[in-house]
Amino acid sequence: DARVTQTPRDKVTEMGQEVTMRCQPILGHNTVFWYRQTMMQGLELLAYFRNRAPLDDSGMPKDRFSAEMPDATLATLKIQPSEPRDSAVYFCASGLTAGEQFFGPGTRLTVL
Amino acid sequence: GENVEQHPSTLSVQEGDSAVIKCTYSDSASNYFPWYKQELGKRPQLIIDIRSNVGEKKDQRIAVTLNKTAKHFSLHITETQPEDSAVYFCAASTNTGFQKLVFGTGTRLLVSP
Repeated sequence: DARVTQTPRDKVTEMGQEVTMRCQPILGHNTVFWYRQTMMQGLELLAYFRNRAPLDDSGMPKDRFSAEMPDATLATLKIQPSEPRDSAVYFCASGLTAGEQFFGPGTRLTVL
Repeated sequence: GENVEQHPSTLSVQEGDSAVIKCTYSDSASNYFPWYKQELGKRPQLIIDIRSNVGEKKDQRIAVTLNKTAKHFSLHITETQPEDSAVYFCAASTNTGFQKLVFGTGTRLLVSP
């Protein structure tokens, strides 16, 4: 049963520190999405890639967030510097162009 | 851009009753409508989806209906069980070639024994 994996599962850091979250999409999926989930904003799309090329990152604060896909098996989301308002659960999802998206377990980020 | 509204925000039913969650969308070009179930502390899981070329799809106790003219779609759960308790999200695809989804705000379903 193929699944999206994410690391770390939990991260507690102090304001100003760099945070890197990693995602391994399901093998063969060509589209990768990064979402942020909070109680107030629900599920927000931050960025997504197709065939490793960034298609849309309009949901990300550009000054502090960056997303990359170094290869087909790894997607990363970085926050530098982190702020308390970045505290949320960050989900990665992968899929094919047919539309289905499968979510990873998420990274729970707490910025103190 | 696409906007998805979801109602109700919370829904409480007795075990065995049916539950219905409704969503409306704004982009008439949307053609893919998935539903996700998210249990506390877990990932959203795809439970059923429908494409714009059909009006209804059923999988055991869950079904989804789509009315393209009115731009709304609904999730129906029959014979609810306590393990159905979760937050349910609807979503609609945007008018791009890469199936970006816009999510509703979620419905918290509580099934009481």
